[in-house]
Amino acid sequence: AQSVTQLDSQVPVFEEAPVELRCNYSSSVSVYLFWYVQYPNQGLQLLLKYLSGSTLVKGINGFEAEFNKSQTSFHLRKPSVHISDTAEYFCAVTIIQGAQKLVFGQGTRLTINP
Amino acid sequence: SQTIHQWPATLVQPVGSPLSLECTVEGTSNPNLYWYRQAAGRGLQLLFYSVGIGQISSEVPQNLSASRPQDRQFILSSKKLLLSDSGFYLCACRTSEETQYFGPGTRLLVL
Repeated sequence: AQSVTQLDSQVPVFEEAPVELRCNYSSSVSVYLFWYVQYPNQGLQLLLKYLSGSTLVKGINGFEAEFNKSQTSFHLRKPSVHISDTAEYFCAVTIIQGAQKLVFGQGTRLTINP
Repeated sequence: SQTIHQWPATLVQPVGSPLSLECTVEGTSNPNLYWYRQAAGRGLQLLFYSVGIGQISSEVPQNLSASRPQDRQFILSSKKLLLSDSGFYLCACRTSEETQYFGPGTRLLVL
């Protein structure tokens, strides 16, 4: 079975500072990896995904993530955050075969302070 | 691209009452459909998924059931709600892009 650990439940950052949200996963088979963002009282919006190829993937809103197979990590980064980035961020994995059920981490609440 | 609708957006129900939440998808055909629940302060848990009409797989034993009467319709139901059924219910759709896209969600409060 797969599992996802998001190491920080809350991350406070000042506006225009860089941020990294950490995600580690566990799986005995190959996986796809995703980051989703959830704004208050809304559904989940896809930020970016890793399916194959280049280990550095770029997403929407200036976010990027790097897949590191040896460290089983998929950390999310942004060089300069804005107030509008305040939200809950979820890392998720799914195995490549079958119905592709997503397994989510517990989420990281990113708070941007002016 | 696909659009996912969920109805209703918010629901307050007494304990013991029935439940029906609807998810409909536009812009795609033969999608995989999923129901997730997000309890307060917690991550998302997969409840059910469906790979086709009438095909339902349950992930966790619970008070809920799901049905897929049409290709792009997915319904979450309960005969008698429990307090523990409160949460934010999200429907998701996966097409050929190996990616799940989520609807706006239904917030359920059981009192």
